[in-house]
Order: sequence, then C-alpha cells, then structure tokens
Amino acid sequence: EIVLTQSPGTLSLSPGERATLSCRASQSVSSSYLAWYQQKPGQAPRLLIYGASSRATGIPDRFRGSGSGTDFTLTISRLEPEDLAVYYCQQYGRLPYTFGQGTKLEIK
Amino acid sequence: QVTLKESGPALVKPTQTLTLTCSFSGFSLSTSGMRVSWIRQPPGKALEWLARIDWDDDKFYSTSLRTRLTISKDTSKNQVVLRMTNMDPVDTATYYCARFPLSGGMDVWGQGTTVTVSS
Repeated sequence: EIVLTQSPGTLSLSPGERATLSCRASQSVSSSYLAWYQQKPGQAPRLLIYGASSRATGIPDRFRGSGSGTDFTLTISRLEPEDLAVYYCQQYGRLPYTFGQGTKLEIK
Repeated sequence: QVTLKESGPALVKPTQTLTLTCSFSGFSLSTSGMRVSWIRQPPGKALEWLARIDWDDDKFYSTSLRTRLTISKDTSKNQVVLRMTNMDPVDTATYYCARFPLSGGMDVWGQGTTVTVSS
C-alpha cells in the first residue's frame, strides 16, 4: 500500500502568515488522485482539495494544492484563527486508500 | 442538500459483531459514478479508510481488515451498512461514512458515530 508521510507534524504560525504543508508518497500517486482534508476539533473532516489542485465547493482561494508524483503541498495563505485544525492528505489512486498521519496547524 | 448520518451501538463487547448504518439523502447510490466509503478514527489518531461500495455494487476493503468487513447497500432505503466481526478494544474509534463520487475526493461526510469496545 502507498504510505503517505506528512510534515511537519505541528506548525505554529500567526494570523496573516502563510502555511506550507507537505505530503510525500512512498510510490507515485496515479493521475494525481490526492486529496486534502481539514478536521477542526470535534468535527468531521472536510474536503479541501481533490485531484491534487482542485478546490472543493465553497473552499476559499486561500487554500491551494499543488504537486504530482510523490510530492504534494497544501498552501494556506493569509492564515485566520479559524484555520486551526489538523490537515490530512489522502491518496485514492490505488487501493487500499491511505491517509497521512496529519499536520496540526496552531494559530498563535 | 447532501447529508449522511451514521448510526449504531455506542458500546460493543469484544468478539461481538458491529453493525453500522449510513443513512443518506440528497443523492442516489444508483447513479453512475456514485460511491460511499467508511472511514474510522481512533481517539487522538489519524483517519483510516475501511471500505467502499459503488453504484454498480462493486465492493472494496482495507487490506488489513478485509476478512472482518462486509459492506452492503439498500438503494431503496438510501442506506449503506458496514459489518465488522470479532470486535476488539483496538477497534474503539469514531466511524464515519462519506460520499465519494468518481469526480474525486470524499466530498461530504457524516458527523461520525463513536464506538467503544469494552467488556
């Protein structure tokens, strides 16, 4: 199965700054079938990005996904306090689907 | 509006079988390209994909849990059912179902249901 490794484990930034989250796959993710999810405390995950770079419905353009092959990035611009959450990447190009271990984003 | 809601027992004993139901509205699982997945999350840990069922009744399972899982659908009731046999305390988790269209990504999630495995 494809192992996804996210870094850093925790990211602490101030409002207005830019966050860069990394997701590295142990094998190439076919057709860029890579998604990003945001999970706020006590809530279910929410789809942010699919197909590596397409924003889901209603997701602001502060959230941008990029990458291909084995290296993917989620960039969050102009951080807001509400961006406090754990962010997960997921590959759905090859079964079994797998998730990364998550990056916790803290807002100072 | 698309919604999904998980239901099932909050507490099960070790070795018992867990049956969870995902009731959904706003879409049909008979529509070509539509799929539903189950995902779980142990307390404080990462998400884990469990199973998927497709509009054409194709079914796919986690490699490590394949022998314990059964996923099925009742299109007329707009429900997807997940059965997990031989429950163990390590299966304690919040279980989610999510819509997973061919267009990509699990785009709508249920609120989750918490299952504790304990004698």
